[in-house]
Amino acid sequence: DTEVTQTPKHLVMGMTNKKSLKCEQHMGHRAMYWYKQKAKKPPELMFVYSYEKLSINESVPSRFSPECPNSSLLNLHLHALQPEDSALYLCASSQGRGTGQTGNIQYFGAGTRLSVL
Amino acid sequence: EDQVTQSPEALRLQEGESSSLNCSYTVSGLRGLFWYRQDPGKGPEFLFTLYSAGEEKEKERLKATLTKKESFLHITAPKPEDSATYLCAVQKSLYGNNRLAFGKGNQVVVIP
Repeated sequence: DTEVTQTPKHLVMGMTNKKSLKCEQHMGHRAMYWYKQKAKKPPELMFVYSYEKLSINESVPSRFSPECPNSSLLNLHLHALQPEDSALYLCASSQGRGTGQTGNIQYFGAGTRLSVL
Repeated sequence: EDQVTQSPEALRLQEGESSSLNCSYTVSGLRGLFWYRQDPGKGPEFLFTLYSAGEEKEKERLKATLTKKESFLHITAPKPEDSATYLCAVQKSLYGNNRLAFGKGNQVVVIP
């Protein structure tokens, strides 16, 4: 099973709202990722958590706040977003460091389609 | 600067018409090259990973190959359900935490 589950599937929010995206995996993976993808563009890395610690922040605006409560869960807290933040937000996971070649494979969830009005 | 370039950007095929997609890369210390399939509005689905020049992998109508400068994804006798965007990504050995560099994708439409 290589399932990464993201909720909600769709989210519409105003610029003053606070919302959260959730990602869950039960594969025992220790690296988890948030990506942002605009239409007809490749995914852009936002954050990486490795063993529940934030290891990469790709200069993402502070209105995006990641959280990794445990090894199976990853959240992305959203606050005061702008319309240009509308995109497909993807979560992925991989086995993590020191797990050999196949440990590099990232498995993606179906994404959350976010619209900011 | 590391680059991943996919060509062609878009491809229309008749059902049964075999073709190949190209992913060329300029990166030092390649740790792995990955192919994903992405359907509209969905997350990328892992297809293959290749690690060394000469390596080949197959899955149904798809075959991925790797040289020192590029990878090909061959689609043999495609069916309409093979319509998707195919993403190529590379991972550098110097990057920690499995950072991937994606190409812009090959958008494939297979016409019945």
